[in-house]
Amino acid sequence: GAGVSQSPSNKVTEKGKDVELRCDPISGHTALYWYRQSLGQGLEFLIYFQGNSAPDKSGLPSDRFSAERTGGSVSTLTIQRTQQEDSAVYLCASSPSRLAGNPATQYFGPGTRLTVL
Amino acid sequence: DAKTTQPPSMDCAEGRAANLPCNHSTISGNEYVYWYRQIHSQGPQYIIHGLKNNETNEMASLIITEDRKSSTLILPHATLRDTAVYYCIVARISSGSARQLTFGSGTQLTVLP
Repeated sequence: GAGVSQSPSNKVTEKGKDVELRCDPISGHTALYWYRQSLGQGLEFLIYFQGNSAPDKSGLPSDRFSAERTGGSVSTLTIQRTQQEDSAVYLCASSPSRLAGNPATQYFGPGTRLTVL
Repeated sequence: DAKTTQPPSMDCAEGRAANLPCNHSTISGNEYVYWYRQIHSQGPQYIIHGLKNNETNEMASLIITEDRKSSTLILPHATLRDTAVYYCIVARISSGSARQLTFGSGTQLTVLP
């Protein structure tokens, strides 16, 4: 079946502009995660959505970062007033509910490569 | 979550077993050991996870020591497509989900022809 998809695959923007990154999780998955990966580094957790619960925003690096998950499906990560240090690959992952599979596993999308000039 | 220590790189001959070690000496009783891998320019891929018993699936086997302070991921017959960075992660499962995963530097496994 279809996996996690993300768009755009690449985004180049100028410093100070806002960007929106989209994630389409696997259909029926209740949990959704955003991570970012800077060049040559490991993944850094950003935010976690689980069903209708309040999201865990503990990994967001600043108030310029925000994320929404509409209708329990698609999620958008917004970065306002982008800075050069925001350049990274932004990865989305989703997990199934207990009834649908193994909720302990996370299935990752291909990522969006963001470059801030 | 407990930190993990992995060798930065390993080589393995194609067709041979690849044994990737991981130390997690500060692991807590309710923390699981996960393995993911990341092939260049792709998102991470789940491989296997376990609590204290050894686990096996179609991709790999996970051997966890009795004291749970270390584990080994075994790819029984490595192929060139197994060349990737392998991450050993320790995480709690809450309400069935491993909330956030903390990825370290991982081990770059290179399978040689």
